[in-house]
Amino acid sequence: GEDVEQSLFLSVREGDSSVINCTYTDSSSTYLYWYKQEPGAGLQLLTYIFSNMDMKQDQRLTVLLNKKDKHLSLRIADTQTGDSAIYFCARYTGGGNKLTFGTGTQLKVEL
Amino acid sequence: DSGVTQTPKHLITATGQRVTLRCSPRSGDLSVYWYQQSLDQGLQFLIQYYNGEERAKGNILERFSAQQFPDLHSELNLSSLELGDSALYFCASSVDAGQYTGELFFGEGSRLTVL
Repeated sequence: GEDVEQSLFLSVREGDSSVINCTYTDSSSTYLYWYKQEPGAGLQLLTYIFSNMDMKQDQRLTVLLNKKDKHLSLRIADTQTGDSAIYFCARYTGGGNKLTFGTGTQLKVEL
Repeated sequence: DSGVTQTPKHLITATGQRVTLRCSPRSGDLSVYWYQQSLDQGLQFLIQYYNGEERAKGNILERFSAQQFPDLHSELNLSSLELGDSALYFCASSVDAGQYTGELFFGEGSRLTVL
């Protein structure tokens, strides 16, 4: 199957770390992605990881991939109010350049 | 600004009607993708075109059709509209087709409301 699941909401305090989780069912993924959607805007790619990697760090963002458990996470260090958005994980699905998106996690950053 | 332009931004119409959504991809991008975002279905892939040809098809209803023109802009046609078609329709573009680069550039979406 192509299901990609995420928790719907996450609330953190400004300055804390946020961890957004994602699970998927199809183990044949080659790339896994994190996209961010701000209110009233389209999706923007934040980062991605190849399936042969376990971790990728990009400034405040850390992506962890557990292939055995089919679990992907995005950690945002020192979370700011500007990080408030919906975060989507996505996986590449074969048979064309098609991304399958998760359900999205709404991150709320409180002062 | 992603460079992808979608029109109209908002559209309100009645059941049974037909609408056309338009997308201009980022300069140099050959692929155009259409996605539907609704509260109950999440973000669903509809269809992809690459350089004028249909490349991949997702959960697109038979009432919906799309095409990509020689100037690479794309149109999504939605007909016999139903209340459940109310959603945000995104267009995205990428430079590639067969070799996935990992990045889609999304427009701001067209919000369709069917009354």
